[in-house]
Amino acid sequence: DVKVTQSSRYLVKRTGEKVFLECVQDMDHENMFWYRQDPGLGLRLIYFSYDVKMKEKGDIPEGYSVSREKKERFSLILESASTNQTSMYLCASNLRGDRGSYEQYFGPGTRLTVT
Amino acid sequence: EDQVTQSPEALRLQEGESSSLNCSYTVSGLRGLFWYRQDPGKGPEFLFTLYSAGEEKEKERLKATLTKKESFLHITAPKPEDSATYLCAVQIVSGGGADGLTFGKGTHLIIQP
Repeated sequence: DVKVTQSSRYLVKRTGEKVFLECVQDMDHENMFWYRQDPGLGLRLIYFSYDVKMKEKGDIPEGYSVSREKKERFSLILESASTNQTSMYLCASNLRGDRGSYEQYFGPGTRLTVT
Repeated sequence: EDQVTQSPEALRLQEGESSSLNCSYTVSGLRGLFWYRQDPGKGPEFLFTLYSAGEEKEKERLKATLTKKESFLHITAPKPEDSATYLCAVQIVSGGGADGLTFGKGTHLIIQP
């Protein structure tokens, strides 16, 4: 079974703090993704990575950065947390193939509250 | 602009009452359409991938179909444990290495005993 784990289920941070969200997958997947999910807006892609040290911006990258130093680990960084970054953060991973459309497997999510 | 629209937003059914959820999409080039199930407070759980018009996939009480403009998730004789939010997502053709998904806002399904 594919397993994607996230470092925290719940996190409370103060405005201006630097926040690290960690994601680990155990299936040797090349691709990893970070989404956020908000009521009425659905899931939106923040950043993704298709290889170690490679990253691409998604639809809403402003205020975020990422790091991928090892294949199995993908970190999302909030350089200076703001209240509008309060959200559910979901990590996902999948295999890279010629067809490019393998299903993504999601972690359990981290509910981040910024006060 | 690529768009994915799901309807209805919410649906309440009696146990055993079959129905369909709709996902309509407007994309420049479809690489794949995905259905996920999400329970409250959890990450989405993969259900199906559809690649081309006319394709169908089945799993227990669920059946997904795809046309050139929309996909349907048919639920036959649902049970209370089928209650969840069902998400539709598309992946488009692009030149990049990995591509994220564009999600609809989901259909919140409640099955009453």
